[in-house]
Amino acid sequence: AQSVTQPDIHITVSEGASLELRCNYSYGATPYLFWYVQSPGQGLQLLLKYFSGDTLVQGIKGFEAEFKRSQSSFNLRKPSVHWSDAAEYFCAVGGNNDMRFGAGTRLTVKP
Amino acid sequence: DAGVIQSPRHEVTEMGQEVTLRCKPISGHNSLFWYRQTMMRGLELLIYFNNNVPIDDSGMPEDRFSAKMPNASFSTLKIQPSEPRDSAVYFCASSPRTVSQGEQYFGPGTRLTVT
Repeated sequence: AQSVTQPDIHITVSEGASLELRCNYSYGATPYLFWYVQSPGQGLQLLLKYFSGDTLVQGIKGFEAEFKRSQSSFNLRKPSVHWSDAAEYFCAVGGNNDMRFGAGTRLTVKP
Repeated sequence: DAGVIQSPRHEVTEMGQEVTLRCKPISGHNSLFWYRQTMMRGLELLIYFNNNVPIDDSGMPEDRFSAKMPNASFSTLKIQPSEPRDSAVYFCASSPRTVSQGEQYFGPGTRLTVT
């Protein structure tokens, strides 16, 4: 079965700074890749997804992610973070009739 | 669309009582998932249905847990009897595609506290 690792449990960035959240996966074929965001007290919300084609995908709220097959990575980026981006972010990998979520990265935004 | 609807939003019960959590998926979605989220264990998939049929219940922790999907617009997760270690946030999610391919739409969750 596939697996997904989010190496950073907690990241703090200043408002206006750029952001990159890491996601590494293990899967024998091309996976289906997703990023979700969870604000406190809410369910997960899809930010973006990758199935095939262009390896740079755009999502909602100004987020983007790049699929790098050679590095088995699907990192999430945002050029300028807003205070409202403070939340927990989950990477997910689909394949083999299964979906696996990472443990999440908690983002804190400093004013 | 109203999104995935879960009820109740909060449930406080005593150990040994039966708890039933309810979910209404997004109309037209053919996959439904139940998750449990805790600080210690993160997000765990309990069971998922495709076209109202349970496909994988390997994540259900014990026989005390059961889930049903009698029709395309309703599912329940039951815990009987409940225990303090069942305290968690339970999410229901639905998807228009299969488990591996589809983006999932999550409900707001039910926060369960078992005392």
